[in-house]
Amino acid sequence: DGGITQSPKYLFRKEGQNVTLSCEQNLNHDAMYWYRQDPGQGLRLIYYSQIVNDFQKGDIAEGYSVSREKKESFPLTVTSAQKNPTAFYLCASIDPGVSPEAFFGQGTRLTVV
Amino acid sequence: AQSVAQPEDQVNVAEGNPLTVKCTYSVSGNPYLFWYVQYPNRGLQFLLKYITGDNLVKGSYGFEAEFNKSQTSFHLKKPSALVSDSALYFCAVRDDTDKLIFGTGTRLQVFP
Repeated sequence: DGGITQSPKYLFRKEGQNVTLSCEQNLNHDAMYWYRQDPGQGLRLIYYSQIVNDFQKGDIAEGYSVSREKKESFPLTVTSAQKNPTAFYLCASIDPGVSPEAFFGQGTRLTVV
Repeated sequence: AQSVAQPEDQVNVAEGNPLTVKCTYSVSGNPYLFWYVQYPNRGLQFLLKYITGDNLVKGSYGFEAEFNKSQTSFHLKKPSALVSDSALYFCAVRDDTDKLIFGTGTRLQVFP
């Protein structure tokens, strides 16, 4: 089955800890994205990557980091510098050369306790 | 700068009536425009897209959208709403750098 897998579905973090959210796709897509969703604010772009070993900051990159060492993987680390990390995080991918629409994972809900 | 506006937080419509969910955008160059739907605690599902060509595009579940270049709008429409259409709808725009930006979302409530 082709698709995007985000794990875990629910994640709890203590204040001051870093945590990494996983995003894996087997669609052979070049571009991958991370979004944060808060009630009433829609989806805000954190980081995106058009190709392996390259990524760009989105609109709210502060307190987050990413890597793109493999085409199929785009993990997001929420660092202790992120002041309000409790949110729903969504990963997406696109194959710009084939079809322009994004495919989304099912999301990870991160709660700081 | 690239942006998307959805001016309505919520749209209420009676089942069987037509619905419209509004979207306006700002992007340099030719836009790629999209509508997505989200059900509670889930990812987004693609509904339809505009790339080029006919200004009226048809998508999944009977939805369609009208691209208006002069008004920089891409409103989502459906001739006859269903209760099962109730969900959160997002408009999105992608520029030629592959940056994909979403609006704040509009909650559609269809009443029986």
